[in-house]
Amino acid sequence: AQSVTQPDIHITVSEGASLELRCNYSYGATPYLFWYVQSPGQGLQLLLKYFSGDTLVQGIKGFEAEFKRSQSSFNLRKPSVHWSDAAEYFCAVRGTYKYIFGTGTRLKVLA
Amino acid sequence: SQTIHQWPATLVQPVGSPLSLECTVEGTSNPNLYWYRQAAGRGLQLLFYSVGIGQISSEVPQNLSASRPQDRQFILSSKKLLLSDSGFYLCAWSVGGKDNEQFFGPGTRLTVL
Repeated sequence: AQSVTQPDIHITVSEGASLELRCNYSYGATPYLFWYVQSPGQGLQLLLKYFSGDTLVQGIKGFEAEFKRSQSSFNLRKPSVHWSDAAEYFCAVRGTYKYIFGTGTRLKVLA
Repeated sequence: SQTIHQWPATLVQPVGSPLSLECTVEGTSNPNLYWYRQAAGRGLQLLFYSVGIGQISSEVPQNLSASRPQDRQFILSSKKLLLSDSGFYLCAWSVGGKDNEQFFGPGTRLTVL
């Protein structure tokens, strides 16, 4: 069965520190993977996506993610976190029509 | 460019009352349309999706129904709301191949009292 796991429900980092949010997927075929960000009370915004080619993908707002097929992972990273990055982050994999989302990781940034 | 609208933005309804949430998409044709619910502190639960007019797939048996009367219009309804229907409702659309992402609307905050 297709699934996405985000093992960290909450993460707290200091402003300027590096960030890595974990995502593991289970999918039988070539996965099409996405990271979204959601600010409180808002819809979701796409940060980046992977479907083929270079396993390190760049996204908006300085984020990047690395696809590792051997580990079934698609972790999101940012070298230096800004206070405005505080939000909830969702990893997703696309099936035929449906998108399977993880339960999300809520990021808190300390000044 | 494409735009997705949801209304209302906020809704407070008594238990047992009906519900109608509307979602419209502009700037694209024949989109796949989706309704999600997000309960407080939880992830996204897919409620319904539609790949064409009149075609609705239900993911979770529940008190809600969906309809797609026009290509770019998706409606979420209930005849009688329950307390458990409270949450943040998100509409989304996508097109074509698997490498295409979903685009989300701004959401509707529903509180059932």
